[in-house]
Amino acid sequence: DIRLTQSPSTLSASEGDSVTITCRASRSVRDWLAWYQQKPGQSPKVLIHRTSTLWTGVPPRFSGSGSGTEFTLTISSLQPDDFATYYCLQYYSYSPYTFGQGTKVQIK
Amino acid sequence: EVRLVESGGDLVRPGGSLRLSCAASGFTFTNHAMHWLRQSPGKGLEWLSGIADSLHGKFYADFVKGRFTISRDNSGNTLHLDMTDLRAEDTAIYYCARDAQDTGMIGYFFDFWGQGTPVTVSS
Repeated sequence: DIRLTQSPSTLSASEGDSVTITCRASRSVRDWLAWYQQKPGQSPKVLIHRTSTLWTGVPPRFSGSGSGTEFTLTISSLQPDDFATYYCLQYYSYSPYTFGQGTKVQIK
Repeated sequence: EVRLVESGGDLVRPGGSLRLSCAASGFTFTNHAMHWLRQSPGKGLEWLSGIADSLHGKFYADFVKGRFTISRDNSGNTLHLDMTDLRAEDTAIYYCARDAQDTGMIGYFFDFWGQGTPVTVSS
C-alpha cells in the first residue's frame, strides 16, 4: 500500500496568514493526488485534484503543487471558513486508495 | 444536484451483520463507479470498497475482504454494503462516494460524498 504522511498534524494560524501543508508518499504517485477539506460533522469536500487542479467553486486562495512523492497544499490569506482539517488522497493506486492522516488548521 | 444519502447504520453486537445503503440522485448512476469509505477517530479516513459499472468489477481493501460485500442496484440507483463478522474496530462513520470519472470505471478521486451513517459495534 502507498503510505501518505502529512505534516504538520496541527497548524495554528491567524486570519490572513498563508499556510502550507505537506503530503509525502512512500512511493511515486505521479500527479494522482487530491486534497480534501473537512469540517466537524460534515463529510470531506474535494478542493484540488490531479495535484493542482482546483475543483469547481473552490476559491483561488487554495493551490496545490508537487509531483512524485512530495506535494503541498497552500492556502494564501486564511479566511475564517478555512479553519478545518485537510486530507490528501492518492489515487495512483486504487487497490487500495489511501489518505494522509490529516492536518488540522486551527485559530492561533 | 448530485445527492448521496446513506442509511442503515446501527448499533450491532460483535460478530453481527449489517447492510448499509446509499441512495443516489442527480446524476446518471450507471456512468459512475461508486465507493464506500469510513472514518473513525483512531484510524482517520479509510477506503473500503469500490464497484465499477457492470463490466469492470469490485475492489476491496484487504482488511474487509471476505467480510464486506459491495453491490449496486442500477435500476434503483442504490449502492449497498453488506457487512458481516463485525468487530469493535469497524465502529465508524460510513460514507458512500462517487468516483469522479464518468466512464463507469473505478480509479479516480471521489467528487461527491454522502453525509455518512454511523455504525457502532459493541456488546
